[in-house]
Amino acid sequence: GENVEQHPSTLSVQEGDSAVIKCTYSDSASNYFPWYKQELGKRPQLIIDIRSNVGEKKDQRIAVTLNKTAKHFSLHITETQPEDSAVYFCAATLSGSARQLTFGSGTQLTVLP
Amino acid sequence: DGGITQSPKYLFRKEGQNVTLSCEQNLNHDAMYWYRQDPGQGLRLIYYSQIVNDFQKGDIAEGYSVSREKKESFPLTVTSAQKNPTAFYLCASSISGGVGTDTQYFGPGTRLTVL
Repeated sequence: GENVEQHPSTLSVQEGDSAVIKCTYSDSASNYFPWYKQELGKRPQLIIDIRSNVGEKKDQRIAVTLNKTAKHFSLHITETQPEDSAVYFCAATLSGSARQLTFGSGTQLTVLP
Repeated sequence: DGGITQSPKYLFRKEGQNVTLSCEQNLNHDAMYWYRQDPGQGLRLIYYSQIVNDFQKGDIAEGYSVSREKKESFPLTVTSAQKNPTAFYLCASSISGGVGTDTQYFGPGTRLTVL
């Protein structure tokens, strides 16, 4: 069925290094791809999003890239800091879900000091 | 997202009981959503409502019911028919819900435990 695959499920990096999380989706008609950060016991918060008419979007240390041909999009975090440690979720609109968001399974990012 | 509140924060239920989770927003958003989150999994859509007095089933609606009598409120009832209700429940809202491309803002969540 239609879904969103997210990798890796866990990621550990040294403080100051970069982190990359990748998601693939199945619906070529998908046109909206947000990324959420969720700290332990807290609500998910939007950190960046991209729409299908754009290939890349950047906000300070965070960037998202979209490859519509390959149907994947990635989150890039540069100069990681301990406060970046959290679970990150990607999502995409999939036609099988009445165009509502379908979420990936999440990536637990740990930034080691 | 501070304009979305959920209550209670923690809820304990005995098997066979129905419970209702509250979700209120003061953002004047048309669309509201309920998600379920299990450990190690992403968010799964239970129900959503694009406008008052209307709602649609999501991917895992069985054992749940909702109502949308007011724009500000979208309560979720977990019925005894839900076989494995222990989970973290998140409510969200967006300006509109027509094509799923509006930013969704989440409430703080309710952790439901069945004893």
